[in-house]
Amino acid sequence: GENVEQHPSTLSVQEGDSAVIKCTYSDSASNYFPWYKQELGKGPQLIIDIRSNVGEKKDQRIAVTLNKTAKHFSLHITETQPEDSAVYFCAASMNSNYQLIWGAGTKLIIKP
Amino acid sequence: GAVVSQHPSRVICKSGTSVKIECRSLDFQATTMFWYRQFPKKSLMLMATSNEGSKATYEQGVEKDKFLINHASLTLSTLTVTSAHPEDSSFYICSARSGGNQPQHFGDGTRLSIL
Repeated sequence: GENVEQHPSTLSVQEGDSAVIKCTYSDSASNYFPWYKQELGKGPQLIIDIRSNVGEKKDQRIAVTLNKTAKHFSLHITETQPEDSAVYFCAASMNSNYQLIWGAGTKLIIKP
Repeated sequence: GAVVSQHPSRVICKSGTSVKIECRSLDFQATTMFWYRQFPKKSLMLMATSNEGSKATYEQGVEKDKFLINHASLTLSTLTVTSAHPEDSSFYICSARSGGNQPQHFGDGTRLSIL
């Protein structure tokens, strides 16, 4: 079955710098890759997603890139702000099976 | 758009009682709802998938008689933890989606504490 690995587990960056979180997946049939942000005591919030027919998607300070050949996708956050501090999860799923397979999460810490 | 409301946000109860958690999609019709359990500092663990009007599909290792799921309408699913024990204490989160090719949107979770 599908397996999603996420790195790093913790990432500390200076406010204003960029942050990059990477995920790899094992099943080449996966074609949908969302990213969720989870704040303490809250449920995950979808921040961006990408499908396998595109290589990059951007929404203001957030972007996701997908490399189907290498089977990895990354979340990029530019000009980080204190409110970006949270746990970020990547996930993958296939068309015929919409269950999301989750990465282990990355705790992002923005240092003032 | 795509708001999912989960209630209650926190429950503290005695061992042996049953607890019902509600998950509502407020501004869309949810053909499928999912129930997750999350342990501290861990990722989400899928417990079951429910389609409106059908029996829920449980993941391996999840006791269906322990965790009763009902998805009676396109906007409401409930999870009942029956005869809860301390080991059932956890953070339970629901999600909902409007169609097979749509993203999952999550509620804010329920912190269940069994004394």
